[in-house]
Amino acid sequence: DVKVTQSSRYLVKRTGEKVFLECVQDMDHENMFWYRQDPGLGLRLIYFSYDVKMKEKGDIPEGYSVSREKKERFSLILESASTNQTSMYLCASSGSVSNQPQHFGDGTRLSIL
Amino acid sequence: ILNVEQSPQSLHVQEGDSTNFTCSFPSSNFYALHWYRWETAKSPEALFVMTLNGDEKKKGRISATLNTKEGYSYLYIKGSQPEDSATYLCAFLNQAGTALIFGKGTTLSVSS
Repeated sequence: DVKVTQSSRYLVKRTGEKVFLECVQDMDHENMFWYRQDPGLGLRLIYFSYDVKMKEKGDIPEGYSVSREKKERFSLILESASTNQTSMYLCASSGSVSNQPQHFGDGTRLSIL
Repeated sequence: ILNVEQSPQSLHVQEGDSTNFTCSFPSSNFYALHWYRWETAKSPEALFVMTLNGDEKKKGRISATLNTKEGYSYLYIKGSQPEDSATYLCAFLNQAGTALIFGKGTTLSVSS
């Protein structure tokens, strides 16, 4: 079974801090994704990556950056955390063929105080 | 702007009831339609990936149909059980895209 592991289930940080959310997958997937989920808004794509060192902006990239130095790891970075970034963050991965399903991690519930 | 709409937003049924929900998506440049189930405190789990007009897929008591020409998919649950309680997400991929566009989901609650 595909395993997508997010480093933390719950995280509390302060406004202005630099925050790192880590995601690791064990299936040699090319594609990796970061989403945030907010009540009433559904899953929104922040960034995705289709290869090492490659990244593409999603629908809401402002205030975030990403890093993919190794194929199995995709990091989401909040450069200077703000309270409106309090949310549930989900990482996902998928193979290179576009009609393959995405496999999700358990999510990180991030609170910015 | 590509939009994926799901209805209803939520519904509550009794154990044993059959139910269905709708996902509407742009009918042009269709590539694939995904369905996911997301239970509370768990990660979203893929149910189906559908690519062909007229596709019908089944997994236990859950099935889905696809109409790419008119831009909709139905998800059916036969004989709902409390363990079916979850949010059901559909997501659309067009031929130009590499990333899924998700609907806001339908939240199902099944009472015993």
